Amino acid sequence: EAGVAQSPRYKIIEKRQSVAFWCNPISGHATLYWYQQILGQGPKLLIQFQNNGVVDDSQLPKDRFSAERLKGVDSTLKIQPAKLEDSAVYLCASSSGTSGVVDTQYFGPGTRLTVL
Amino acid sequence: AQSVTQLGSHVSVSEGALVLLRCNYSSSVPPYLFWYVQYPNQGLQLLLKYTSAATLVKGINGFEAEFKKSETSFHLTKPSAHMSDAAEYFCAATTYGGSQGNLIFGKGTKLSVKP
Repeated sequence: EAGVAQSPRYKIIEKRQSVAFWCNPISGHATLYWYQQILGQGPKLLIQFQNNGVVDDSQLPKDRFSAERLKGVDSTLKIQPAKLEDSAVYLCASSSGTSGVVDTQYFGPGTRLTVL
Repeated sequence: AQSVTQLGSHVSVSEGALVLLRCNYSSSVPPYLFWYVQYPNQGLQLLLKYTSAATLVKGINGFEAEFKKSETSFHLTKPSAHMSDAAEYFCAATTYGGSQGNLIFGKGTKLSVKP
């Protein structure tokens, strides 16, 4: 079974530029998550989708970050304009959304963003 | 608010020695608890999870963790370290079941294994 795919793996931009990240979850997984992992810290949830609807975006800086999951499969996360403090690894994860107890989240390799 | 604390940002052990990585949580309700491992330039991989069944949870690669409610702890152990265990380990918690799992992560512990 293919894992969670993310692209690009690395991105370097100047501050105030825009950037987009792409995620393809495991086939059939209804739930998709975007996390931000700043160096030296654990991942922090930015947004959670259930199919193509948003479940939780309480920690998404909506003045500059946006995300969508069209057709309930792939997702894109956009930052516009980027700030220096956005330098981080952006992780995408997916889960089946069918477990009655607690779903396992499967993580992609991440996109490392450097803002200069 | 829920939080996860990992004691020690860096742990170093000799090959063959016991591995002990500490995790404490704070939660007003019984949590679900997880340990993830992250190898350089890779995503997180689930080692094991506690979902209120057995308090001693066995995971992959010989790791296990014990849920102790009285100590609000979920420490990760492995009897004998291997060079391939060198990685960063994250403890995480959520109080939601099903697909509502908003994982709260600790800051991570980097494990080094000396030959």
